[in-house]
Amino acid sequence: DIQMTQSPSTLSASVGDRVTITCRASQSISSWLAWYQQKPGKAPKLLIYKASSLESGVPSRFSGSGSGTEFTLTISSLQPDDFATYYCQQYNSYSRTFGGGTKVEIK
Amino acid sequence: EVQLVESGGGLVQPGGSLRLSCAASGFTFSSYEMNWVRQAPGKGLEWVSYISSSGSTIYYADSVKGRFTISRDNAKNSLYLQMNSLRAEDTAVYYCAREGGGMATIGTFDYWGQGTLVTVSS
Repeated sequence: DIQMTQSPSTLSASVGDRVTITCRASQSISSWLAWYQQKPGKAPKLLIYKASSLESGVPSRFSGSGSGTEFTLTISSLQPDDFATYYCQQYNSYSRTFGGGTKVEIK
Repeated sequence: EVQLVESGGGLVQPGGSLRLSCAASGFTFSSYEMNWVRQAPGKGLEWVSYISSSGSTIYYADSVKGRFTISRDNAKNSLYLQMNSLRAEDTAVYYCAREGGGMATIGTFDYWGQGTLVTVSS
């Protein structure tokens, strides 16, 4: 199975900060990577697919980049609604796998 | 509006069985692949199982292979997960999730239910 490793596991930031989360795959997954946002007690929400494509309705302050084994999610200017946990997910193989998550906390 | 509503969770003893259901509405259920994804308390997300739109192709995570069975009834717009030989480590919120329908989104999960909690404990 393809392993996905996210860093950092926790990130403290302030409103207005630029935030970057990294996700690494144990083998090449081309651009078959998605990012999700999850708030406590809620289901995850799809933000980005195919590494850099923004899901409909997602604010443009979210962006994704990368290919192969290294990927990033960037929030250009952190908003109060963005404090949440973020997960990457590969879909290169039928056995979809998620990263361990990055919790974005208020500094 | 797309809606996915899970049911069937609860408390079960180790070694027991449980059947989860997911009722879908707001889209043509028979045209979409579906999945189950779980999340143990305070932990991350774990993909559990996939079923193709027709039900002819099925995949499982190694952690549940041989114990869980995914199925669907397109006439009833419903997805199921039969869970047997349950273990403490199966304790989690179980979500049903629709796969994206586009070329670039097949394999992603674009709609999720609210989840149903399964607790395996004596």
